[in-house]
Amino acid sequence: TQLLEQSPQFLSIQEGENLTVYCNSSSVFSSLQWYRQEPGEGPVLLVTVVTGGEVKKLKRLTFQFGDARKDSSLHITAAQPGDTGLYLCAGDSGTYKYIFGTGTRLKVLA
Amino acid sequence: DTEVTQTPKHLVMGMTNKKSLKCEQHMGHRAMYWYKQKAKKPPELMFVYSYEKLSINESVPSRFSPECPNSSLLNLHLHALQPEDSALYLCASGQGYEQYFGPGTRLTVT
Repeated sequence: TQLLEQSPQFLSIQEGENLTVYCNSSSVFSSLQWYRQEPGEGPVLLVTVVTGGEVKKLKRLTFQFGDARKDSSLHITAAQPGDTGLYLCAGDSGTYKYIFGTGTRLKVLA
Repeated sequence: DTEVTQTPKHLVMGMTNKKSLKCEQHMGHRAMYWYKQKAKKPPELMFVYSYEKLSINESVPSRFSPECPNSSLLNLHLHALQPEDSALYLCASGQGYEQYFGPGTRLTVT
């Protein structure tokens, strides 16, 4: 069974701080997505990484896919209260089957 | 336009009722998904349709019955549900390495 473990599970930080969220697995994925979800809403796709070692930036968010395509990280620079939410990674094992990570709840205090 | 719509937004049903959840996308995506999400947990894959054919059924009980009438529509028929089936039901559509989620249907089984 493929598992995606995220760490930390919870994170509460002050506005302006930096943070990194990790997504780890023992399995290789064809691609990995990062989502942010607000309470009672569907996840919103932030980025997809496909190539081992790939780095993508989305404003203050930096995403990296591990060289072996088993892990990924999300780094937020100068966090803002609007970044608050549940961050989910999801790995694609091929043939449309996505496995979601355990989730990281981020709260950014003003 | 990356919009996936779901109706209804909220649904309360008794254990003997029959109801249906509906999902629609007009992005031309050929894969459509149903996920179940319990409170404070990540989404769990239920069904995947690829080119209007059921390609993945994650051992979901038969009281959940999916249907894909055409490439834009996806239904989830519900019958004889249990209180533990109460959850947020998410529809998604995708192409390549990306998935786009709808806002979800909050289902309560009484």
